[in-house]
Formats: sequence, structure tokens, C-alpha cells
Amino acid sequence: GNSVTQMEGPVTLSEEAFLTINCTYTATGYPSLFWYVQYPGEGLQLLLKATKADDKGSNKGFEATYRKETTSFHLEKGSVQVSDSAVYFCAPQSETSGSRLTFGEGTQLTVNP
Amino acid sequence: DTEVTQTPKHLVMGMTNKKSLKCEQHMGHRAMYWYKQKAKKPPELMFVYSYEKLSINESVPSRFSPECPNSSLLNLHLHALQPEDSALYLCASSQEGRGGTDTQYFGPGTRLTVL
Repeated sequence: GNSVTQMEGPVTLSEEAFLTINCTYTATGYPSLFWYVQYPGEGLQLLLKATKADDKGSNKGFEATYRKETTSFHLEKGSVQVSDSAVYFCAPQSETSGSRLTFGEGTQLTVNP
Repeated sequence: DTEVTQTPKHLVMGMTNKKSLKCEQHMGHRAMYWYKQKAKKPPELMFVYSYEKLSINESVPSRFSPECPNSSLLNLHLHALQPEDSALYLCASSQEGRGGTDTQYFGPGTRLTVL
């Protein structure tokens, strides 16, 4: 089955700092890769996705590149804001697992002004 | 529009109560999901409906009973729950639920407390 290793949190940054949250995965076949974000007290929101090798997903200043050779999908943002404080989940979805998402443990990000 | 709605937002129930959670989407999706999320943990899949048929039950106790009246609606009936069932219950929907890239869109969740 699939598995995900996600950078442990919590991560605390100052506003305008550079963010990297590491995510590596094991999956059968060629999975699609997702990042979801969960703001305090809310459900999950799709942040970005990539469906094939070398694809770059991007949204709201966040980016992640599908690296098949290193089975990684690291999340980056050049300049974080206080409003980015949330929990971030990496999730591969194998073509052979129905539509199951395999979630990482989540990384809590706190951005201070 | 990628909205999934869930009601109620909060629910407190006793162990002998019967209650239901509701989920609705109007994106034309044919797959709907229930997840359970405990504090500081990722969501855990409970059930998947694809084309109104139950396709996945992740060995969930029978005190949780899902129902999919039509492709836009998903219910979760609760009966004789335990305090450890207290959690955030998330609903999601996707295009088909049959594999391949099938982006799931989540609702805001129902915060359940079992006394």
C-alpha cells in the first residue's frame, strides 16, 4: 500500500520567511499527488496537486514539484504570511487504490508577525 | 463552485441517542466520502459511495450507518456511540471514486462530542 513521510512539526516562522515542508511517498504505479491545508476549526481545502512526473502544482504562492526519481513532493512558499498558519497534509493517490488518499501526519505551521 | 456543505456544524449527543450527520454537494460528483479526524491527526477514511453504491467500508463499527439517498446527498446515522467516537467528521466528494486522478473536495466538518 501507499505510505507518506511528512516533515514533522510544529514549524514556526516569521512573516516573509521561506517555507519548505518535505514530503516523500511510496506508492504503486504513478500516483497523483496532493497538498491539502486545514485552517484552525475548519475542514480540509485542496491547496495544489500534480498528476505526473515533473508537473508543478501552484496556488496562493505555494508550489510543489512532482519528483518521481526521489518520490518527493515538497511544498514551498517564498514569503509566508500570518494567514498561512495552518496544518498542511501531503497525500498521494494511487491509480490502483480506488480514489483513496493516503494522508501524511500533517505539519503544523505557525507564522508570527 | 467546489462547495461541500455539512450540517450540523456541532453536535453533542449522549451514548443512547440516535442522530444523523448530513452532507450535500451540487458539483455533479458521483462519489462521496466520510472521514473521521481526531485532534492533531490526519483524516481516516470510513466509507466511500460511488454512483450511490457503497464501495468501501473501512471496517467501521455498525454504530455508524451511512446512507446515500441520491448522488448529491450523504448521511451518516449514529447510534449508541462511545465517548471515543468524539471527533471531527468530514464529508468529501469527487468526480467518480473509481481510481485515477480523482480530486476530493471536503466540507467544513461536523464537530461531534459524545457524552
